Amino acid sequence: DAGVIQSPRHEVTEMGQEVTLRCKPISGHNSLFWYRQTMMRGLELLIYFNNNVPIDDSGMPEDRFSAKMPNASFSTLKIQPSEPRDSAVYFCASSLSSGTHYEQYFGPGTRLTVT
Amino acid sequence: DAKTTQPNSMESNEEEPVHLPCNHSTISGTDYIHWYRQLPSQGPEYVIHGLTSNVNNRMASLAIAEDRKSSTLILHRATLRDAAVYYCILRTTDSWGKLQFGAGTQVVVTP
Repeated sequence: DAGVIQSPRHEVTEMGQEVTLRCKPISGHNSLFWYRQTMMRGLELLIYFNNNVPIDDSGMPEDRFSAKMPNASFSTLKIQPSEPRDSAVYFCASSLSSGTHYEQYFGPGTRLTVT
Repeated sequence: DAKTTQPNSMESNEEEPVHLPCNHSTISGTDYIHWYRQLPSQGPEYVIHGLTSNVNNRMASLAIAEDRKSSTLILHRATLRDAAVYYCILRTTDSWGKLQFGAGTQVVVTP
């Protein structure tokens, strides 16, 4: 299995531009999580989906952030418009949420720099 | 959400055991104890989890106190590759696997 795939791996953009981060979860997993990591705030959960349905988006910082999961094999996190304070590493993770096994498998992350 | 408390950092010599403590005094009866680690420039990876009994796997052992208010992750023989931030996290059973990461413990392994 290729694991969780994220693209792009690095993104540099100017303030005000739209940014779209992409994630392909592990095949067969039914939960998907988006996280953001910065030195100041650590690893924060932004939103998570179960069976393609958003369950909890309380971690999304503001309306500029949106996430979709149109099918079981693809999710996007969009920032519009982007601001310098959005600079961070964004991780996507997936898991098979059943029984007692909820281990999350993380992607390599997308390093976003907003200038 | 129940919180965990971990030391900021720990040092170990290569090939010696490492015992990473975690306090979770407000744990509820159905919370699972999860450990993840994050190697430099990588995403976190699952290490181990448990509910009440001690657990072993190929990566580590998890020792859970009888009252469940603390636990210890044991790396039996530290290698340089084990240098990472280790996170102790409580997962509630009604959370669809949701995890809230704290600051974790930075483990430094010296040759």
